[in-house]
Amino acid sequence: DAGVIQSPRHEVTEMGQEVTLRCKPISGHNSLFWYRQTMMRGLELLIYFNNNVPIDDSGMPEDRFSAKMPNASFSTLKIQPSEPRDSAVYFCASSLGGTQETQYFGPGTRLLVL
Amino acid sequence: GQQLNQSPQSMFIQEGEDVSMNCTSSSIFNTWLWYKQDPGEGPVLLIALYKAGELTSNGRLTAQFGITRKDSFLNISASIPSDVGIYFCAGRGISGGGADGLTFGKGTHLIIQP
Repeated sequence: DAGVIQSPRHEVTEMGQEVTLRCKPISGHNSLFWYRQTMMRGLELLIYFNNNVPIDDSGMPEDRFSAKMPNASFSTLKIQPSEPRDSAVYFCASSLGGTQETQYFGPGTRLLVL
Repeated sequence: GQQLNQSPQSMFIQEGEDVSMNCTSSSIFNTWLWYKQDPGEGPVLLIALYKAGELTSNGRLTAQFGITRKDSFLNISASIPSDVGIYFCAGRGISGGGADGLTFGKGTHLIIQP
């Protein structure tokens, strides 16, 4: 199994630019999660999908952040416009779902907004 | 929201020593997970616990789901250099079924001196 795939692995952009992060979950998993990791706040859940439907987006910082899951094998997290405080590592994770799920993480996208 | 307190924040130990870390919650969890994160990578699941009192081992790692359902412990016996990394606990509370997101502790940084 290829595991969760994220792209790009690294992203450096200037403040105000649009950033799009991509995730391909493990085949057959029906839940997908986006996390943000910083030194100050640790791992924070941003949003999660179940069967391609957003279930809880209460962790999304503000309207500049949006996430989509057009099909079972692809999701995007978009930041528009980006700000320096958005610099972090963004992880995507997937799971089979259900009441006893195990989440499997991708390698992360390291975002630096200058 | 749910809070997880993970301790210690960091550990400096000698190779061969045993390691203990724990997480406590202000609310009841019905699932406890322990992850390890290597530098530049995403968290990788080590052990999953689903029942109060459950004790589960994975090689030199042993984790327990506390009887009160508000805590969990991870022990590593006879530490080796490759055990270095950040260990995260994660829990899922009793908020109904479905693909609820996990709450993560802030992590325990394990550093091993040869």
